[in-house]
Amino acid sequence: QPALTQPRSVSGSFGQSVIIPCTGSNSDIGGYNYVSWYQQRPGAAPRLLVYDVSTRPSGVPSRFSGSKSGNTASLTISGLQAADEATYYCSSYAGINTLLIFGRGTTLTVL
Amino acid sequence: EEQLLQSGAEVIQPGESLKISCKASGYSFTKYWIGWVRQLPGKGLEWMGMIFPGDSDTQYSPSFEGQVTMSVDKSINTAYLRWPSLRPSDTAHYYCAMHIGNYAIKAWGQGTSVTVS
Repeated sequence: QPALTQPRSVSGSFGQSVIIPCTGSNSDIGGYNYVSWYQQRPGAAPRLLVYDVSTRPSGVPSRFSGSKSGNTASLTISGLQAADEATYYCSSYAGINTLLIFGRGTTLTVL
Repeated sequence: EEQLLQSGAEVIQPGESLKISCKASGYSFTKYWIGWVRQLPGKGLEWMGMIFPGDSDTQYSPSFEGQVTMSVDKSINTAYLRWPSLRPSDTAHYYCAMHIGNYAIKAWGQGTSVTVS
């Protein structure tokens, strides 16, 4: 199944910021403002952090923010906390044939 | 608050059929698409498709078209995912999910573990 490209892992120091990129193509990220980001802790279901590129659902801290430039979307996590250690997935609408695709996930380590 | 409660873990022999369920509460079931997401052991998320409970319209990912069938029972706010014949490669966690707006997933079930062995 096609997938968006994410780094396998990223790390950041406690209290600092980290950016997780998600790269696609003109057929998905570049073509629509329908990018979402999810956090999944081990053994748990994913949790929605951001949708429509940069909108946060109620209850999601403002430390999590989303953006997009061209075919690459990014999730920025500021003020890193130990609880942020998790795997982060991006997703994007990819047109009427493929519909929705996910990235392969990025594991965040807080140092 | 939207909640999705999935059926319990299954251990199935290859070739058998299986139907798992996802019961929704806390919102109007017929107004939001219900999607299904597969997670292979130690791997990432794969979107399988979705069904609109209001009229049972379905949209399948090309990777899963013909492999599974999605259905709903509006009378009990429950969605289903069915396999006619399972293979060991179907061993995975399966999540049901409430879609909002532009294919974002606002709420997730707790997941159903399916082991084919």
